[in-house]
Amino acid sequence: QSVLTQPPSASGTPGQRVSISCSGSSSNIGSNTVNWYQQLPGTAPKLLIYSNNQRPSGVPDRFSGSKSGTSASLAISGLQSDDEADYYCAAWADSLNGPVFGGGTKLTVL
Amino acid sequence: QVQLQQWGAGLLKSSETLSLTCAVYSGSFTGYYWTWIRQPPGKGLEWIGDINHSGSTRYNPSLKSRLTISVDTSKNQFSLMLSSVTAADTAVYYCARAGYSTDWGFDPWGQGTPVTVSS
Repeated sequence: QSVLTQPPSASGTPGQRVSISCSGSSSNIGSNTVNWYQQLPGTAPKLLIYSNNQRPSGVPDRFSGSKSGTSASLAISGLQSDDEADYYCAAWADSLNGPVFGGGTKLTVL
Repeated sequence: QVQLQQWGAGLLKSSETLSLTCAVYSGSFTGYYWTWIRQPPGKGLEWIGDINHSGSTRYNPSLKSRLTISVDTSKNQFSLMLSSVTAADTAVYYCARAGYSTDWGFDPWGQGTPVTVSS
């Protein structure tokens, strides 16, 4: 059971906008920033969003992140077939003195 | 561009010690936290622990009693040792870098090492 809660699945059609939620508590998301990772099938995860809403170099601006209180959200606009992947949120957990992850959301492009 | 390459034994028996090493190429070793993360088959990600260039470590409390993370700055490498493994330790193990520039987000990652523990 993951500390951060994500929906197990999400889906959309090409060109559509989809959103993935991530729910935590005051001791993780509520007091620290949120990062998002994309894991394409059979590959290592890749940093997609850091510090709630910042994109690393090379990440398209179709990907955006936001945070409010103890929840965060990843939005993908102009959905493409290449976006089909697992998406994980993560945040520092004060009690663990380390990061915790969500259980992951499998995005399917219909 | 910094790259992480990892290696180690992929098949272990219960009670043996898991040992993995991650080498850092084309980047500074200083100023980062060098991290191990694992992913059981079909499941999510779990932070194992990390170390900085000075050798200061942080461990997941659930693994702390069996875990050792070390660093060799002369080789730009860091290593993971997990003792007394069981089937529950079966996972893909990743090394990764965490830095200030990405608000301690993990970037980049190693290619991953599948580890299977059999009884």
